[in-house]
Amino acid sequence: DAKTTQPNSMESNEEEPVHLPCNHSTISGTDYIHWYRQLPSQGPEYVIHGLTSNVNNRMASLAIAEDRKSSTLILHRATLRDAAVYYCILRDWGNYGGSQGNLIFGKGTKLSVKP
Amino acid sequence: DGGITQSPKYLFRKEGQNVTLSCEQNLNHDAMYWYRQDPGQGLRLIYYSQIVNDFQKGDIAEGYSVSREKKESFPLTVTSAQKNPTAFYLCASSNGLAGEYTQYFGPGTRLTVL
Repeated sequence: DAKTTQPNSMESNEEEPVHLPCNHSTISGTDYIHWYRQLPSQGPEYVIHGLTSNVNNRMASLAIAEDRKSSTLILHRATLRDAAVYYCILRDWGNYGGSQGNLIFGKGTKLSVKP
Repeated sequence: DGGITQSPKYLFRKEGQNVTLSCEQNLNHDAMYWYRQDPGQGLRLIYYSQIVNDFQKGDIAEGYSVSREKKESFPLTVTSAQKNPTAFYLCASSNGLAGEYTQYFGPGTRLTVL
């Protein structure tokens, strides 16, 4: 799986939008972009994923650059419950021959939300 | 409710003892995984299993063992050979290994060696 780069930390005010960036300049054409988040002392929670097109779900939106070398996770209105470490991860779509299928976690971005 | 359960939530072990961590899922997923997380770090893969009666070593398998006798269960044994077992252990499952599949995580077991 290719490597991703994220800022170590970001701050946001409650009820404001948050844009969490992720660079993945070595992404291959078959890599999916996944986002997970982890609250303290809990297991990671799936947020969203996509391949080429922008994606929306009830939790967030994922904006993928046209060249796919970067992406942005968008939380439309941050709440205190959104304070967590956010991980941007690439997964090969189907490299069954050698893929372990695991998620390769970096250190992620620690998001703080101020009331 | 569908999901993944891990037990116990906290576990204390004396040096030299083996200990087994439980992981059960009722999502009917084929693939299951065990990760280890140390303070301030990301997750590292210990073992994974694609189907029943089959499992593969991950990046840090030394000192650990697993079994996959049933689709819904994937217990992890931390043996006395694991040099630094104190960590947060996370179990996950997914429909398959391919990139489009989401992984679902359990709440974790925090193991402390006394």
